[in-house]
Amino acid sequence: DVKVTQSSRYLVKRTGEKVFLECVQDMDHENMFWYRQDPGLGLRLIYFSYDVKMKEKGDIPEGYSVSREKKERFSLILESASTNQTSMYLCASRERQGATHEQYFGPGTRLTVT
Amino acid sequence: RKEVEQDPGPFNVPEGATVAFNCTYSNSASQSFFWYRQDCRKEPKLLMSVYSSGNEDGRFTAQLNRASQYISLLIRDSKLSDSATYLCVVNSDRGSTLGRLYFGRGTQLTVWP
Repeated sequence: DVKVTQSSRYLVKRTGEKVFLECVQDMDHENMFWYRQDPGLGLRLIYFSYDVKMKEKGDIPEGYSVSREKKERFSLILESASTNQTSMYLCASRERQGATHEQYFGPGTRLTVT
Repeated sequence: RKEVEQDPGPFNVPEGATVAFNCTYSNSASQSFFWYRQDCRKEPKLLMSVYSSGNEDGRFTAQLNRASQYISLLIRDSKLSDSATYLCVVNSDRGSTLGRLYFGRGTQLTVWP
């Protein structure tokens, strides 16, 4: 059974803090993704990675950075958290080869920035 | 223009009803299509892939119209447990975004007793 885990389910941080969100997958998937989900806006892609040390900007990368030092782990970093980054953050992974492969999501981290 | 557009609803239907969701996609070169389901406060999960010839999985039928760039999902004999948000999803086949999925904003369905 594929498993994508995220380090926290709920997180409360103060404005200006540096925030790390960790994601780990156990299926040796090449592709990993970070999304945020907000009411009325759906899932928006922040960054994705298709290999170790590789990263690509998604649709809303501003204010975020990522790190992929190992294949199974993809970290999202908020360098200086702001209130408009309060959101649900979802990590996902997927095999690269084969366009029909399913994308698996972690349970999400609900981040509140005060 | 968004890659994937779908009617957000909400759709409120009684148990036993048939309900259909539609979505359109903008990239004519897209090759793979999916419907994902997201329950309240949960992560999205794959409901079914959509094949060119159309496909059925129990009460669920998915159709693809490449000429119109249109995907549909039909749910027959709705159950209370079908209440969820349904996400239309399209795969990108372009260069460095290979493997990226584009998600619609979702259509919310509530089935009432």
